[in-house]
Amino acid sequence: EVQLVQSGPEVKKPGESLRISCKGSGYSFADYWISWVRQMPGKGLEWMGKIDPRDADTKYSPSFQGHVTISIDKSINTAYLQWSSLKASDSAMYYCARGAGDAWGQGTRLTVSS
Amino acid sequence: EIVLTQSPGTLSLSPGERATVSCRASQSVSSSQVAWYQQKPGQAPRLLIHAGSSRAAGIPDRFSGSGSGTDFTLTISRLEPEDFVVYYCQQYDSSRPITFGGGTKVEI
Repeated sequence: EVQLVQSGPEVKKPGESLRISCKGSGYSFADYWISWVRQMPGKGLEWMGKIDPRDADTKYSPSFQGHVTISIDKSINTAYLQWSSLKASDSAMYYCARGAGDAWGQGTRLTVSS
Repeated sequence: EIVLTQSPGTLSLSPGERATVSCRASQSVSSSQVAWYQQKPGQAPRLLIHAGSSRAAGIPDRFSGSGSGTDFTLTISRLEPEDFVVYYCQQYDSSRPITFGGGTKVEI
């Protein structure tokens, strides 16, 4: 069974850094890129970017370029999404997905508040 | 990037009725790179349709996708009670950033 398991909810303060994770299992991890998708409270889905596990090539949405970093550790089938300096406006649910979205993680809820 | 505009924003129907959700792209998209998702409250999205008209594994045949160029449609032939949730279209052209439509809520 294909599974993407994400790290747990986070509560952080503005200015702090953070890295959340997404671990794939049940399939050949290297064969599918991983996407990250943001969903702000009560709003729609926003594609943030993707990474190819074979060569760590990344593509970002123009809206998120420079604000987040997507990385991967192929040896442990895990993709990451990280921020160097969080803002309150980063509060949202973050999902990872296999490829464009044929399998999804359960989501990681991020709350940024002073 | 390609902007996807879904209509209507909210669709009010009754169980057993037919639902039609539209998705219009700002530029032509290959129908083989259009998908539809369903999202229930508190859950991650679920893939319904990929490659424009192919149902994902386990998706009932009351769900269908069609369209080409800039106009795409998700049709639910007979609404079941569990279908009254939110639907999103997506384009995943490999040469451009992936984008989602704004979502359509199907309500009773």
